[in-house]
Parts: sequence; C-alpha cells; structure tokens
Amino acid sequence: KAGVTQTPRYLIKTRGQQVTLSCSPISGHRSVSWYQQTPGQGLQFLFEYFSETQRNKGNFPGRFSGRQFSNSRSEMNVSTLELGDSALYLCASSSRPAGDYNEQFFGPGTRLTVL
Amino acid sequence: DAKTTQPTSMDCAEGRAANLPCNHSTISGNEYVYWYRQIHSQGPQYIIHGLKNNETNEMASLIITEDRKSSTLILPHATLRDTAVYYCIVRLGGSNYKLTFGKGTLLTVNP
Repeated sequence: KAGVTQTPRYLIKTRGQQVTLSCSPISGHRSVSWYQQTPGQGLQFLFEYFSETQRNKGNFPGRFSGRQFSNSRSEMNVSTLELGDSALYLCASSSRPAGDYNEQFFGPGTRLTVL
Repeated sequence: DAKTTQPTSMDCAEGRAANLPCNHSTISGNEYVYWYRQIHSQGPQYIIHGLKNNETNEMASLIITEDRKSSTLILPHATLRDTAVYYCIVRLGGSNYKLTFGKGTLLTVNP
C-alpha cells in the first residue's frame, strides 16, 4: 500500500507570492491533516479535512487555507508569503476523523523556503 | 490538551532497552497518551497510544502509571535506526481536538 505522498518536496518562493502544496493520502483514508514544522515552534497543527469538510483548525492566520477533493486528495494554499512561513509542511492521513483515537500516517513533507 | 514534559536528549547503547519518560501531570480522565517519532528529514511516525492500561505492539511498549501522571515508552532492543526525536502527546478526541507536539526527546542509539 502506497504511503502518503506530498508534492513538491522542495519549493522556493519570494515574499508576497502564494503557494499551493498537495497531499495524496493513503488509499481509502478520508482524513487529511496539515502541520507546519519550524525549529522554533516545533510541529503545529494547521487544519484537518474529512470527506471534503474542514473539521478542525489551528491558530494560523487566514492566509493559510486548504481544501479536499472528492478523491480525498488535499491542497494547502498560503497567500502573501512571509519570511516566517519558511517551514516543513507535513500532511497526515487517517482512515477515520483524526479526532477519533486512531493513528495518523505522515508524509515526507514539503520544504518551503521563502526569500 | 494536557502539556507534556520530556527530557531533551537521551543516549542508549545498541541492543539495550531504551526507556523514554514523559510527564503529563495535568492529564484528564479521557485524554490518551500517544507516542510518535521523527527521524531526521522524515515525517513523524506513529508508535503507540494508550489510555490507562499498558500497551504493547511490534515496535514498543507503553507503560502508564496508575495515576496516569507519567508514562514510559520502551524500545526493547534499540538499533541505530531508532535514533530519532520521540514525541509524547496527550490529547482529547472529538472534533475539537488539537494534536500538539512538544519539543520531544532526541534519542541517540550508539554502537
């Protein structure tokens, strides 16, 4: 069974630009969660989608948004990029909503660098 | 979700058991304890979780104290590939959960 895949793996953007990251969950998984990981703040929860609906959201500004498609693939968009958005963006999938006590499977992440 | 406290780093000899402690003194009755690990430059990997009983799977054992204020993750025979940052997480379920990772423990397995 293929794992969680994320594209692209590496990305360089400049301030003010916008970026879209993609996540394909494990086949059959309907929950996709997004996380931001930085050296200073650690791993922080962004949002979770289940069956195309956002179920939960972390404390990030509105510049961070996401969506999920009917095939459970998810995209995350960051508009008006700031230097502080440089981070490893991880997505995780699970078969049930992440709020159920099940395990999440993480992808390898997208390393975003904002110059 | 309750906060957790873990040592910043630990060392372990290859082949020996690695015992990683976690303090979660403010845990509430319906919060679970989860363990994940992250090997450098990879996404976190689920290890194990539990509520009050000790749990074991093919990767590790989780020992939760009777008062649930602390737990220990045990890797019975550590290998070099177990070198990673280990995160102990305490979380509620339900639609308003927030999975929050702390700083974790860097476990270095030495040959």
